[in-house]
Amino acid sequence: NAGVMQNPRHLVRRRGQEARLRCSPVKGHSHVYWYRQLPEEGLKFMVYLQKENIIDESGMPKERFSAEFPKEGPSILRIQQVVRGDSAAYFCASSLGAGETQYFGPGTRLLVL
Amino acid sequence: QKEVEQDPGPLSVPEGAIVSLNCTYSNSAFQYFMWYRQYSRKGPELLMYTYSSGNKEDGRFTAQVDKSSKYISLFIRDSQPSDSATYLCAMSPNTGGFKTIFGAGTRLFVKA
Repeated sequence: NAGVMQNPRHLVRRRGQEARLRCSPVKGHSHVYWYRQLPEEGLKFMVYLQKENIIDESGMPKERFSAEFPKEGPSILRIQQVVRGDSAAYFCASSLGAGETQYFGPGTRLLVL
Repeated sequence: QKEVEQDPGPLSVPEGAIVSLNCTYSNSAFQYFMWYRQYSRKGPELLMYTYSSGNKEDGRFTAQVDKSSKYISLFIRDSQPSDSATYLCAMSPNTGGFKTIFGAGTRLFVKA
C-alpha cells in the first residue's frame, strides 16, 4: 500500500548549490502537484504536471525553479542556486485523474545555510 | 486580502470538548471545499470533502459550508488527544482541481 513517496525527507544545501527533490506518486496516478509550505503559512501551489507535460506552472518562481515528470521515474522539482528564502517544506501530491482528490506525500524539508 | 483566511490558533481544548474550526473566503467561484489534517512533520491528509453549501457528517467530524456568507466550518465532537494536529481548509472552483487554495491552518491541541 504505497502512498506518495518523497525523498529525501530532509535536505541541507549551502547557498548557490542545487536541490533536487523527488516524488513518486501513488501507483497508477499520472497527475502530480508540487506545493511549498512556509512556517505559519498555508500550502502554496507551485506546479501541476501530467506524465511528460507541465499543465500549470503559474505558482513557480520564474527563475531557478523547474519541474519534470518523465514517462519513467519520479517527478523532480529542481531548484538551482538556492537561497536562504528557499528554505521550506516541499510537498508533492498525486491524483488519479485531473481534478480528483489529491493525496500528499510526507514532504521534503529543505534548509539552505 | 488573502483568498482564504484561517485563524492559525493555537486552539487548546480539553478531551471530550466540541471543537469548531472555521475559514472565510472571498472568491465566490469556489465550489469544492475540503478539510485536511496535518500531523507534525507529516503531509496533509484529506478529512472531509464537500460540494457547494450544506452539511456533511463522517463519524465525529461534521463539515458545514455557507456559500452566502463565504464561511466554512469543521466540527469535531468528543475530541481526543489524537486529534491534536493542524487543520487546513482548502477550496477550489472545480473538483479538487489544481487551483486548490489552502488556508494557513489552525493548530489544535486536545489535552487529556
